[in-house]
Amino acid sequence: EVQLVESGGGLVQPGGSLTLSCAASGFSFRNYWMGWVRQAPGAGPEWLANINQEESHSFYADSVKGRFTISRDNAKSSLFLQMHNVEADDTAVYFCARWSAALDYWGRGILVTVSS
Amino acid sequence: EILLTQSPGTLSLSPGERATLSCRASQTVTSNYLAWYQQTPGQAPRVLIYGASIRATGIPDRFSGSGSGTDFTLTISRLEPEDFAVYYCQHYVNSRWTFGHGTKVEIK
Repeated sequence: EVQLVESGGGLVQPGGSLTLSCAASGFSFRNYWMGWVRQAPGAGPEWLANINQEESHSFYADSVKGRFTISRDNAKSSLFLQMHNVEADDTAVYFCARWSAALDYWGRGILVTVSS
Repeated sequence: EILLTQSPGTLSLSPGERATLSCRASQTVTSNYLAWYQQTPGQAPRVLIYGASIRATGIPDRFSGSGSGTDFTLTISRLEPEDFAVYYCQHYVNSRWTFGHGTKVEIK
């Protein structure tokens, strides 16, 4: 069974940093593009970043470019999102997701709250 | 940047009725990378349709997708109680993923 489990969320102060992790299991992680999507309260999903299988290419939404960094560890079947200089608008549920012609598997999401 | 506009914002229907949801792109998009998702409260989105018209694994055949170019449609032939949810279209181009703002299908 494919599973994606996010961790590392919580409360962070404006201007602070946080790293999210996503543990993957049930599939060959190294063979898939992976990405992060967030959803603010009452809003639709917003793509943040994605990364290819070999970690040679990564792409970012303008809203997080220069502040967030996506990475992966294929040996540990893990995906990461480093978040720096966070803002109140970064408050959301963050999902990791697998890409295979569509976002075919998603984690349950982890809440990040940016507040002083 | 390609924008996806979904309409209507809310669709009020009764169980057993047909639902027709629209997704319009700001420019011509590749059908291969147009998907539809369903989201219920507290859950992650679930893929229903990919490649504009291909049902994902385990998705009932009352869900169908169609369209090309800039206009795409998700049709639910007969609404079941579990189908009342929010639906999003999504596109992939140049390694970027874009979502529409969603259509809420609510019980009339």
